[in-house]
Amino acid sequence: GGIITQTPKFLIGQEGQKLTLKCQQNFNHDTMYWYRQDSGKGLRLIYYSITENDLQKGDLSEGYDASREKKSSFSLTVTSAQKNEMAVFLCASRGGAEQFFGPGTRLTVL
Amino acid sequence: GQQVQQSPASLVLQEGENAELQCNFSTSLNSMQWFYQRPGGSLVSLFYNPSGTKQSGRLTSTTVIKERRSSLHISSSQTTDSGTYLCAMEQGTNAYKVIFGKGTHLHVLP
Repeated sequence: GGIITQTPKFLIGQEGQKLTLKCQQNFNHDTMYWYRQDSGKGLRLIYYSITENDLQKGDLSEGYDASREKKSSFSLTVTSAQKNEMAVFLCASRGGAEQFFGPGTRLTVL
Repeated sequence: GQQVQQSPASLVLQEGENAELQCNFSTSLNSMQWFYQRPGGSLVSLFYNPSGTKQSGRLTSTTVIKERRSSLHISSSQTTDSGTYLCAMEQGTNAYKVIFGKGTHLHVLP
């Protein structure tokens, strides 16, 4: 078994601020994902990474940057937080066909 | 583009009743996975089921490739089954991209 950790658990930012979310996995999985979940909506793919140093844009990549410097970690940066934005950011990893998820980071922008 | 449709969007049951949740796909089916999300929580994998039938306790997943659909059956529902059920599959042209339905919100009354 393995585990995915996400930090921080809660993130409060100011409008226009640059914010970074971190994700670590010890499954030794090659592929990692960042999703955004808004209330009442499904998961939308922001970025994914097939292997270390690889980055692929998802359907919602505008306004975000990502970094995969190590196989075990995948970071997401909100380049300019939007006022009144509230969402949960979920990190996942995948080895083979099955995906596993971290506990999420809840973002609130004041 | 490829779409994942889940139905019903929401469902209210009396404890002890059964539930049938559906997931339909607009293109050929690859790598089907069902998840459970408790309110405010992360996603827990219930089944990885690309074809056929799998059972775990009171839960049964059936995927019919020809009909481009997968179902999740919950028997003898309990209040602890309340939450959101999500299905996901690989995008047809890119096996690394996993896309989600919007989920079925289940509420089981005591």
